Amino acid sequence: AQKITQTQPGMFVQEKEAVTLDCTYDTSDPSYGLFWYKQPSSGEMIFLIYQGSYDQQNATEGRYSLNFQKARKSANLVISASQLGDSAMYFCALGSWGKLQFGAGTQVVVTP
Amino acid sequence: NAGVTQTPKFQVLKTGQSMTLQCAQDMNHEYMSWYRQDPGMGLRLIHYSVGAGITDQGEVPNGYNVSRSTTEDFPLRLLSAAPSQTSVYFCASSEGGARPYGYTFGSGTRLTVV
Repeated sequence: AQKITQTQPGMFVQEKEAVTLDCTYDTSDPSYGLFWYKQPSSGEMIFLIYQGSYDQQNATEGRYSLNFQKARKSANLVISASQLGDSAMYFCALGSWGKLQFGAGTQVVVTP
Repeated sequence: NAGVTQTPKFQVLKTGQSMTLQCAQDMNHEYMSWYRQDPGMGLRLIHYSVGAGITDQGEVPNGYNVSRSTTEDFPLRLLSAAPSQTSVYFCASSEGGARPYGYTFGSGTRLTVV
């Protein structure tokens, strides 16, 4: 069975600072993907970044980077230079063969 | 480029009523899936499909039916609505393979069962 865990229910971060959101996972599938999604208060799911299980390098997308440690089964999201618009719920998800399993999410509040 | 379209956006049902949530994608994606999100929680998988004519159950399938007669459409049917099915429902699609890159989500359907 697959399992994905986000242990930080919420966190505050000051504008322009970096923030790391933790995510650990467990799966017996050798081939999988790890995803991070942002959900603002408006409710839509916004795709941020993807890491494939066989990718050698950590994924980066603009201000987002994924710290992938396969042996430790962790896939932490780093947001650099936080902006007020980054305030949202962030979900880590484990995906394979068309289905996703989500963590409980981390609520991020960016303060001026 | 519409992506994934869900209808309706909002719905109120009485207990025992049935209805169908519609989901359509125009990206020729093989995979489609349905999730529900209860307040303060992550999304949970209801049903998914890896291609036309092929569906399977997810984590919380009870009370829901699906079918996939075309690549584009993946409707979710509530057989007899219950208050416990009050939730926000999301449909998603992705390309095929073991590790599809990026799942595109619809904007969601907010369902209230009274």
